[in-house]
Amino acid sequence: SQQGEEDPQALSIQEGENATMNCSYKTSINNLQWYRQNSGRGLVHLILIRSNEREKHSGRLRVTLDTSKKSSSLLITASRAADTASYFCATGSTGRRALTFGSGTRLQVQP
Amino acid sequence: DGGITQSPKYLFRKEGQNVTLSCEQNLNHDAMYWYRQDPGQGLRLIYYSQIVNDFQKGDIAEGYSVSREKKESFPLTVTSAQKNPTAFYLCASSKGGLNTEAFFGQGTRLTVV
Repeated sequence: SQQGEEDPQALSIQEGENATMNCSYKTSINNLQWYRQNSGRGLVHLILIRSNEREKHSGRLRVTLDTSKKSSSLLITASRAADTASYFCATGSTGRRALTFGSGTRLQVQP
Repeated sequence: DGGITQSPKYLFRKEGQNVTLSCEQNLNHDAMYWYRQDPGQGLRLIYYSQIVNDFQKGDIAEGYSVSREKKESFPLTVTSAQKNPTAFYLCASSKGGLNTEAFFGQGTRLTVV
């Protein structure tokens, strides 16, 4: 089952612009995480936000979580060509001892 | 260097063959996971293990088997019963429990020839 759905499926921006990706999920969660995947590689953890948190920052990343709307957003500020990758949200829930991943957003940053 | 290693990177399987994908971690993590990724899609959970000698089916376990005889190792066997095995397979590990991040290997791309 895929808990999360990312929006948009694909995003193309110019270097220096901000990129915003959204994630919606269906059931109650303990935490929501964002991962990055370069083409043909494994996933790399970016940030974890707990269900009692509303916003979290890490470098150029800003994540928000709205549990009432069951949604999260990932903002990458001042994007770089090296940010080109697929970005996935994943949810952690009590009773399911493994993360459930969304379908991902493919981000292309044009130099 | 701590990390999680998958091998091989590329694997070709003939129809009717069983193949085993290796996953080893030296992060001292209790929990390990196998996910399948099809082109342009997200990850689907095959099997997971929270502790040595114990494992649970995920969402798409049919046609797959695993073992967890050692903390460091969680091999995945793709059996002949898996009718559409061509995919990218990702192994991950974590400390286990809630609110922990997962660490991923670099993946194995399996192709049926």
